[in-house]
Amino acid sequence: GAGVSQSPSNKVTEKGKDVELRCDPISGHTALYWYRQSLGQGLEFLIYFQGNSAPDKSGLPSDRFSAERTGGSVSTLTIQRTQQEDSAVYLCASKTAGGPQDEQYFGPGTRLTVT
Amino acid sequence: KQEVTQIPAALSVPEGENLVLNCSFTDSAIYNLQWFRQDPGKGLTSLLLIQSSQREQTSGRLNASLDKSSGRSTLYIAASQPGDSATYLCAIHSGNTPLVFGKGTRLSVIA
Repeated sequence: GAGVSQSPSNKVTEKGKDVELRCDPISGHTALYWYRQSLGQGLEFLIYFQGNSAPDKSGLPSDRFSAERTGGSVSTLTIQRTQQEDSAVYLCASKTAGGPQDEQYFGPGTRLTVT
Repeated sequence: KQEVTQIPAALSVPEGENLVLNCSFTDSAIYNLQWFRQDPGKGLTSLLLIQSSQREQTSGRLNASLDKSSGRSTLYIAASQPGDSATYLCAIHSGNTPLVFGKGTRLSVIA
């Protein structure tokens, strides 16, 4: 079946512009996660959606970052007034509601370059 | 706060060698541990998932072990091949929370 998809695969933007990154989770998965991988750094958590609950935004690095999930499916991560330090690979993952022991499935990522 | 450490940061071996990658974590209250592979410029490929009640998992030439009490996991790769060259990431799942990742081990298998 279809896995997690993300678009665009690559995005180059000028400093100060806004960008939107999209994640399509696996159908039926109720949990959705956004992570960021900066050059030379490990993956860091950004935001987590679980069903209709309020999202866990504790990993967002600044108020320039926001995310929403419409209809419990597709999610969009928005970065306003992009800075060069925002350059990274942004990864999305989804998971079933079966239980905490279930696996997260990752998308291919969006490589963001801010010039 | 869970912290995950992977050593070595980089490893270069000749083709055919068996090798071990190490992962350690600070909080033993985990649900599972997962090993991923990441090729340059690509996303994550899940290799093995070990539940907290398990001691090891095997898939082909890969074997992952888990010792929760000591906060350690190893990924054993048998008869390494150039196609195994990638970054290997260890991640801890402590519930309905985000995965906590190590910084990875960059493996190069030389033909």
